[in-house]
Amino acid sequence: AQRVTQPEKLLSVFKGAPVELKCNYSYSGSPELFWYVQYSRQRLQLLLRHISRESIKGFTADLNKGETSFHLKKPFAQEEDSAMYYCALSGAAVSSYKLIFGSGTRLLVRP
Amino acid sequence: NAGVTQTPKFQVLKTGQSMTLQCAQDMNHEYMSWYRQDPGMGLRLIHYSVGAGITDQGEVPNGYNVSRSTTEDFPLRLLSAAPSQTSVYFCASSSTSGGTYEQYFGPGTRLTVT
Repeated sequence: AQRVTQPEKLLSVFKGAPVELKCNYSYSGSPELFWYVQYSRQRLQLLLRHISRESIKGFTADLNKGETSFHLKKPFAQEEDSAMYYCALSGAAVSSYKLIFGSGTRLLVRP
Repeated sequence: NAGVTQTPKFQVLKTGQSMTLQCAQDMNHEYMSWYRQDPGMGLRLIHYSVGAGITDQGEVPNGYNVSRSTTEDFPLRLLSAAPSQTSVYFCASSSTSGGTYEQYFGPGTRLTVT
């Protein structure tokens, strides 16, 4: 079955510390992986996707097919990074349009 | 270009009442979907549509109906509200052409069923 697991409900770090939000997936085939972010009182929005291999707001994520992981990383956290982060998966096995979301990780960056 | 809009923003219903959550998009996207967001469970797909006249069930469809008579609109109907349907509901849309299908989300509707 296709599934996305985010093991941490809450991740609390101090400003300037490195951040890693974990995401593991289960999928038969070639998935497309995404990170979506929801800032307080704002709508969910795409942060980055694995195929573009870009860095957005200092965040990067590498797809590791051997470990079936897509962890989100940032070397120096900022207070404005505090938000809810969702890892999501799509692909031909679930219909390319459908997204399967993880349960989310709340990132709290303290001053 | 308003993107994806949802109404109402907040709603309180009594058990057994029915209502329709509205969703509209002005990006000419073929794909539209409804999710519910519950603490500790992430977003779960309720229903989706790949074009006008075509709908299908997602992960948690029971108690909800949808229809897609136009490309722009995708209303979600609660037939007989239950407390278990207390949640935040998000509508999303995406294009089905051009590669990876980034989904655009509406601002959400917070529903409480008492």
